Amino acid sequence: GNSVTQMEGPVTLSEEAFLTINCTYTATGYPSLFWYVQYPGEGLQLLLKATKADDKGSNKGFEATYRKETTSFHLEKGSVQVSDSAVYFCASNQAGTALIFGKGTTLSVSS
Amino acid sequence: DAMVIQNPRYQVTQFGKPVTLSCSQTLNHNVMYWYQQKSSQAPKLLFHYYDKDFNNEADTPDNFQSRRPNTSFCFLDIRSPGLGDAAMYLCATSREQGPSWEQYFGPGTRLTVT
Repeated sequence: GNSVTQMEGPVTLSEEAFLTINCTYTATGYPSLFWYVQYPGEGLQLLLKATKADDKGSNKGFEATYRKETTSFHLEKGSVQVSDSAVYFCASNQAGTALIFGKGTTLSVSS
Repeated sequence: DAMVIQNPRYQVTQFGKPVTLSCSQTLNHNVMYWYQQKSSQAPKLLFHYYDKDFNNEADTPDNFQSRRPNTSFCFLDIRSPGLGDAAMYLCATSREQGPSWEQYFGPGTRLTVT
């Protein structure tokens, strides 16, 4: 079945460091891919998405590129801030209803 | 601002006592979803409505029911909550049903079962 695997956390960085959170997917076809962010005590917010191979999603300095050849959708940011501390979920959607989420990666940024 | 609203944000219920969680949306989206998120886990879809058509996930327990009286509102009913049902319940909406349509989430209701 379809699944999403993302790197285990927590990830601890200093402010202005470079961030990468790895995400790979398995699917029978070509799903749409998403990154959601969840701040403490809140629901999920869509960070970015890509719907086809080689698409790059970007928002608030975060980027991710849909790589069909490596079945990956890694999240990157060039310079993280303390306010980026949150849990990040990679997700895929192929069938059109259920988002299939990874287990989430906790990011903690210190000043 | 258009949004997805969930009430209450925190709900405490007793073991076996029915409880209802509510979700409303001002986005006028056709699809509404209920996810269950247990501590430190990924959200898991329980069911969704496309307009008035109800779609239950195969592994959703019978203890969970849902109602959508109109486009704006959707309810999650837990008939006899067990300790294992303690979780964050997330409501989401999307304009249409399909892989490329992003889902917009509410802030969630955290359910405690005593």
